[in-house]
Amino acid sequence: NAGVTQTPKFQVLKTGQSMTLQCAQDMNHNSMYWYRQDPGMGLRLIYYSASEGTTDKGEVPNGYNVSRLNKREFSLRLESAAPSQTSVYFCATGAGELFFGEGSRLTVL
Amino acid sequence: GQQVMQIPQYQHVQEGEDFTTYCNSSTTLSNIQWYKQRPGGHPVFLIQLVKSGEVKKQKRLTFQFGEAKKNSSLHITATQTTDVGTYFCAGPWNNQGGKLIFGQGTELSVKP
Repeated sequence: NAGVTQTPKFQVLKTGQSMTLQCAQDMNHNSMYWYRQDPGMGLRLIYYSASEGTTDKGEVPNGYNVSRLNKREFSLRLESAAPSQTSVYFCATGAGELFFGEGSRLTVL
Repeated sequence: GQQVMQIPQYQHVQEGEDFTTYCNSSTTLSNIQWYKQRPGGHPVFLIQLVKSGEVKKQKRLTFQFGEAKKNSSLHITATQTTDVGTYFCAGPWNNQGGKLIFGQGTELSVKP
């Protein structure tokens, strides 16, 4: 019972490269979230998925796309990475209280 | 748009001193949650407050939800080194059910 699993944990990209962050949960929750965390900015919501097949923009969606593949999986894609997307990304799930993954640290050079 | 503001951004205390962080929303919240993130870790849920004026306690932690449901506070009595971390409040974005937005957090350091 892993809870929320994110991969990769670390990634370095060059500007313009693309990549996908993967998130899987085994807690059987409908809602899943992607947040980014930057120093002094707290956690900012990128995208939200209320259930399989639905996604909704959060506070900072520009430059990202998401895919809710099934109830368990919610992926975040950067099509053309920019240095401003250097951050720690957290996936979360829950009904009420949120359960977070360990985070993915992304550096864009 | 709706914002959830938290103060202070940093707080340094001597072990045994008290600590308080404040959370203010520009709009009325249906509920508010508090999370703790240890250095290098991920946020962990502490509590949810729903009722106007609600006060809840967890050992040395006291959580309050304002009468107008636009502000909240977390008070820690007699801090310990295990309290080190960043404390976040979070509320529903525009009261849209599941979308949860977070304050900027208060980073607490405790000197032994």
